[in-house]
Amino acid sequence: NAGVTQTPKFQVLKTGQSMTLQCAQDMNHEYMSWYRQDPGMGLRLIHYSVGAGITDQGEVPNGYNVSRSTTEDFPLRLLSAAPSQTSVYFCASSQAQGLGYEQYFGPGTRLTVT
Amino acid sequence: GQSLEQPSEVTAVEGAIVQINCTYQTSGFYGLSWYQQHDGGAPTFLSYNALDGLEETGRFSSFLSRSDSYGYLLLQELQMKDSASYFCAVRDRAPWGSARQLTFGSGTQLTVLP
Repeated sequence: NAGVTQTPKFQVLKTGQSMTLQCAQDMNHEYMSWYRQDPGMGLRLIHYSVGAGITDQGEVPNGYNVSRSTTEDFPLRLLSAAPSQTSVYFCASSQAQGLGYEQYFGPGTRLTVT
Repeated sequence: GQSLEQPSEVTAVEGAIVQINCTYQTSGFYGLSWYQQHDGGAPTFLSYNALDGLEETGRFSSFLSRSDSYGYLLLQELQMKDSASYFCAVRDRAPWGSARQLTFGSGTQLTVLP
């Protein structure tokens, strides 16, 4: 049971480039989400999904797209990278978005945009 | 709007007890979670309180008072490995969407001294 996996671990992009951050979970969790974490700050929700084919925006969705074609995978696309998107990105999953469900986080992707 | 406040730093010695407070302001509150994050690592779930009172899990306890919009994490018999950031997070109904979300505080950096 690998849990939540993310690739790549590190990425450097130039301004204007696009890329996809991969996230996969093997726990059959319905709920998946993407957060970004900036230095000395908490996590801010970018997008989330409550099941295959269903996605919605979080607190900071601008500049990012997501899709959920399967239960296992939840990729995050950066459309046109900007220096303000330099951050650590965490994918998380949980059984449901209901009360008290523990969120399992992936190891993170450290993204630098120059 | 939503806001969470927790101290930015706490320092204690090995074997001591430390309490990390969290006050929150949110709508549609469902519960308070605590996560631990070591430097360079992913957040990991510690506890969840939906009802008033104390929840104990080994050396860690978490408390919630819904009427005071306040909670705390209590760490006993501190060990060096407890040096990490601790985040409180409220599960609530976010203003940008209808689903329940986790909103994180900015984190408390705990340093345990020998």
